[in-house]
Amino acid sequence: AQKVTQAQTEISVVEKEDVTLDCVYETRDTTYYLFWYKQPPSGELVFLIRRNSFDEQNEISGRYSWNFQKSTSSFNFTITASQVVDSAVYFCALSGGSGANSKLTFGKGITLSVRP
Amino acid sequence: GAGVSQTPSNKVTEKGKYVELRCDPISGHTALYWYRQSLGQGPEFLIYFQGTGAADDSGLPNDRFFAVRPEGSVSTLKIQRTERGDSAVYLCASSWPGLAGGSSYNEQFFGPGTRLTVL
Repeated sequence: AQKVTQAQTEISVVEKEDVTLDCVYETRDTTYYLFWYKQPPSGELVFLIRRNSFDEQNEISGRYSWNFQKSTSSFNFTITASQVVDSAVYFCALSGGSGANSKLTFGKGITLSVRP
Repeated sequence: GAGVSQTPSNKVTEKGKYVELRCDPISGHTALYWYRQSLGQGPEFLIYFQGTGAADDSGLPNDRFFAVRPEGSVSTLKIQRTERGDSAVYLCASSWPGLAGGSSYNEQFFGPGTRLTVL
């Protein structure tokens, strides 16, 4: 069975601070995909990033960066120079891949509040 | 093009009633998913359609829940004899199917959800 754990429940930062959201996952699949989604107060889930299990290269995309480490089963997400518009609930999710394995398993989410 | 749409956006019903929730996926997306998000939780998988057939319904909590997708496009989630514990946001997502063998993944695009309240 797949499991995603987001130990942090709420984080509050002041605008322009960097913030890292933690995610730990469990899976028996050798091929899997990891995601971060954002859910603003409007409620719609917005896709942010995806990483597959074959590629541990960490990347930066604008103000977003992620740190994927298979050895510790972690997929942490960092927002640099946070902005008030970043305030939302952030979900880490895991999928086994295509077809019947494509369903997403989500963590409980982290509520991020960015204060001006 | 239009994204995933869900109707109604809000549904209030009484305990014991029957409800139907509709999902209209992105045109051409053959894969469709239903998730349920309870307050303060992450979305939980309910059912996955590939075309007209339910390829995985392992997330349906009990036999009061049923979903159909008769023409491989619009899907309806049906809940019989609703209970207060069914209150949640029901999310629908669609995607192109991944390639066989799990060698690729196609992003799921989510709709705005239907907020169901059972009184």
